[in-house]
Amino acid sequence: QSVLTQPPSVSGAPGQRVTISCTGSSSNIGAGYDVHWYQQLPGTAPKLLIYGNSNRPSGVPDRFSGSKSGTSASLAITGLQAEDEADYYCQSYDSSLSGFHVVFGGGTKLTVL
Amino acid sequence: EVQLVETGGGLIQPGGSLRLSCAASGFTVSSNYMSWVRQAPGKGLEWVSVIYSGGSTYYADSVKGRFTISRDNSKNTLYLQMNSLRAEDTAVYYCARVKPVYCGGDCYSYYFDYWGQGTLVTVSS
Repeated sequence: QSVLTQPPSVSGAPGQRVTISCTGSSSNIGAGYDVHWYQQLPGTAPKLLIYGNSNRPSGVPDRFSGSKSGTSASLAITGLQAEDEADYYCQSYDSSLSGFHVVFGGGTKLTVL
Repeated sequence: EVQLVETGGGLIQPGGSLRLSCAASGFTVSSNYMSWVRQAPGKGLEWVSVIYSGGSTYYADSVKGRFTISRDNSKNTLYLQMNSLRAEDTAVYYCARVKPVYCGGDCYSYYFDYWGQGTLVTVSS
């Protein structure tokens, strides 16, 4: 059971827009901690996609955007392309325990129809 | 260019030990926070351990007391010593550079900006 909740799967046709939600609680996203997103293409390592809720690292297309509100965050992908088919993970920080507590969502598999 | 290359994975019997290495290039390991993150077959990502630039270390409850994170500044390399391995430790282990994000007051959040390619650890008899 992941601390952050994501839908197991989403799908869309090429060119469409899809969103992936990430729901947390008052001890993580709702406490003001930023949300970050990673893309994991099949058989590869995760790659940073969005950091600080809505910032894209250099090289990430502007088709990818992130937002955060309250205890939730969303990743939006517009102009869906076949190469976007991957697993997507959200990540934040949780203050409910002492020490260092990075938390991940369970991941969402994006299928491009 | 930042690069992280993990080595040391393999097949190990339950109760055994293994040491993973992560050789870094393009930046200085000792000046950064560094982490290990693992992914069990077909599962999601799980944070394992972190070492701060100042040397403080933290572990997930699932590995506390069994795993030790360390670094060799002269080799610019991160390590994960894994003892008393269990079947549930079977996973691909990734090393990653950690970036802190200031979120006001004494609040800091963290994310992973660079990842290695991962090394597979299989614990089985």
